Amino acid sequence: AQKVTQAQTEISVVEKEDVTLDCVYETRDTTYYLFWYKQPPSGELVFLIRRNSFDEQNEISGRYSWNFQKSTSSFNFTITASQVVDSAVYFCAPPSGAGSYQLTFGKGTKLSVIP
Amino acid sequence: DTAVSQTPKYLVTQMGNDKSIKCEQNLGHDTMYWYKQDSKKFLKIMFSYNNKELIINETVPNRFSPKSPDKAHLNLHINSLELGDSAVYFCASSRYSESTDTQYFGPGTRLTVL
Repeated sequence: AQKVTQAQTEISVVEKEDVTLDCVYETRDTTYYLFWYKQPPSGELVFLIRRNSFDEQNEISGRYSWNFQKSTSSFNFTITASQVVDSAVYFCAPPSGAGSYQLTFGKGTKLSVIP
Repeated sequence: DTAVSQTPKYLVTQMGNDKSIKCEQNLGHDTMYWYKQDSKKFLKIMFSYNNKELIINETVPNRFSPKSPDKAHLNLHINSLELGDSAVYFCASSRYSESTDTQYFGPGTRLTVL
């Protein structure tokens, strides 16, 4: 079964610092997708990124970037120049291979950005 | 325009009551889901419907019954509510039934059972 580990339960940083959230996964699939979601204090779940296992290029979206390393089964998420609005719980969702119906979430990392 | 909406946002009720949560998506997606998020933020899938047909039914007490009148709606009815049912319930949708597709979530319904 697929499995994900988000080893950092909680992280606190001072505004404008860079922060990296770790995600390590296990899968036997050769083809799979990975997801990150954000849950701000208001409670909604916001989709951030979907990544397939064929593409190992780093992805950048504004202050957000993702580093996918298939060799180490990691899909880490970096926020550059963090802001208070980045305070949230971030979830990495384990690989779901083709034919799998389920999306299982990691336990999440709570990020607090202090002004 | 709201993509995935849920009602109500908050639900406070007594043990033993029956309650329903409604979900609607206007994304034209074929698949809808119900998730439960506990107090430790752990998200677990409960049910999934594809074109009104049940495709995932996790180990959930049979007091929980999903109903999909059409592919844009997936409601969750809970009978004989228990204290342990207190949680946030999220509805989600995706284009297809495979979890390789992105799921978009509603705002959640916070259920408190007293």
